[in-house]
Amino acid sequence: DIVLTQSPDSLAVSLGERATINCKSSQSVLYSPNSKNYLTWYQQKPGQPPKLLFYWASTRESGVPDRFVASGSGTDFTLTITSLQAEDVAVYYCQQYFSTPLLTFGGGTKVEIK
Amino acid sequence: EVQLLESGGGLVQPGGSLRLSCVVSGFRFRSYAMSWVRQAPGKGLEWVSGITGSGGGTYYADSVQGRFTISRDNSKNTLYLQMDSLRAEDTAVYFCAKDFADPTSVAFFDYWGQGTLVTVSS
Repeated sequence: DIVLTQSPDSLAVSLGERATINCKSSQSVLYSPNSKNYLTWYQQKPGQPPKLLFYWASTRESGVPDRFVASGSGTDFTLTITSLQAEDVAVYYCQQYFSTPLLTFGGGTKVEIK
Repeated sequence: EVQLLESGGGLVQPGGSLRLSCVVSGFRFRSYAMSWVRQAPGKGLEWVSGITGSGGGTYYADSVQGRFTISRDNSKNTLYLQMDSLRAEDTAVYFCAKDFADPTSVAFFDYWGQGTLVTVSS
């Protein structure tokens, strides 16, 4: 199974500052024939279901603010919130679909306001 | 507007059974794979099971293989999860989720229901 390890487990950032979340995969999720990374990012606010933010590692879902930026390839990925807003307080998860149909999520990173 | 509404959760004793349902609207149900994803209290997300748009392909996490059965009725726009031999560690909120694009495989999810809580306890 592909294991996704997120870091840190939690972070507190001041409003307007940058928040950076890492996701490391136990094996590459890059499919060479199409050069695509089979990785997504979700945001989950308290009491709500997850919301899709990015797929193919860096393709922003419609409606997601451009202060959210995702990057990375192979085994190392990053989600950055370039200027943290109060509404961004949430838990963020990465998920791989390279080994479909066996899908796995990272453990989550909780983002709070400092 | 896409909507997914789960039901069927509740309290069940260890070894018991429960059937979850997810009624969907706002999209062509048969054209999308669907999955169940669960979240234990205070914990992260775990993919549980998925099914292709036709229902011909079903997939399970190792943790539920042989105990859970996923199915769908495309005429009723409904997804199901039959859960047997339930264990305490199956306690979680169960979400149904719509796959982003491909009816033939499970990948990632653009719409989720609000979830239904399953509690396994004596």
